[in-house]
Amino acid sequence: GAVVSQHPSRVICKSGTSVKIECRSLDFQATTMFWYRQFPKKSLMLMATSNEGSKATYEQGVEKDKFLINHASLTLSTLTVTSAHPEDSSFYICSAGGGTSGPSTDTQYFGPGTRLTVL
Amino acid sequence: GDSVTQMEGPVTLSEEAFLTINCTYTATGYPSLFWYVQYPGEGLQLLLKATKADDKGSNKGFEATYRKETTSFHLEKGSVQVSDSAVYFCALSGGSARQLTFGSGTQLTVLP
Repeated sequence: GAVVSQHPSRVICKSGTSVKIECRSLDFQATTMFWYRQFPKKSLMLMATSNEGSKATYEQGVEKDKFLINHASLTLSTLTVTSAHPEDSSFYICSAGGGTSGPSTDTQYFGPGTRLTVL
Repeated sequence: GDSVTQMEGPVTLSEEAFLTINCTYTATGYPSLFWYVQYPGEGLQLLLKATKADDKGSNKGFEATYRKETTSFHLEKGSVQVSDSAVYFCALSGGSARQLTFGSGTQLTVLP
């Protein structure tokens, strides 16, 4: 149990295009999903916290208009990188937690990550 | 604010050696503590956790004990394998939104 999937696993796009990344909790309902960014050989940086049915809470320094987050259901959250530029190239990881049932509600379960490369 | 300090890597060990990765934390209240493992090119997997003082989390031969008096959650394994090579992250969860605060990660390489 407690499986989180992300799609796509890798994406390469041209500068100026928008990219959507999906995060799904496959076998539990997650009231809260988190989006992280990880630079090479670095730890995870929390970008935003999204709660189903409400606006995401962004961390300081993260541009809301650039990184659009939608949490439309208890099993799906999406991150859209708008007008992507080479400096947005990174490994994006989502996690789901606070489940209403199933696995422990105090634990986050992570997706496998999405490698974004902007040319 | 909350913070997690992890032993700097990289750590290189021979197979069957004893492993310790130190982790200390600063937090208000009573956080839950976690160890996550990240294999190359993958996301994070929960390795073990402890939710209150003196709890011991264990999984796949790894152990860590929640020590409130020393604010520590050191990861140990008695005999490492080549397949344990990965990056290990210590983390705490203390907020109402269950946000995780991560340490910087420790790269472990186990040589045959």
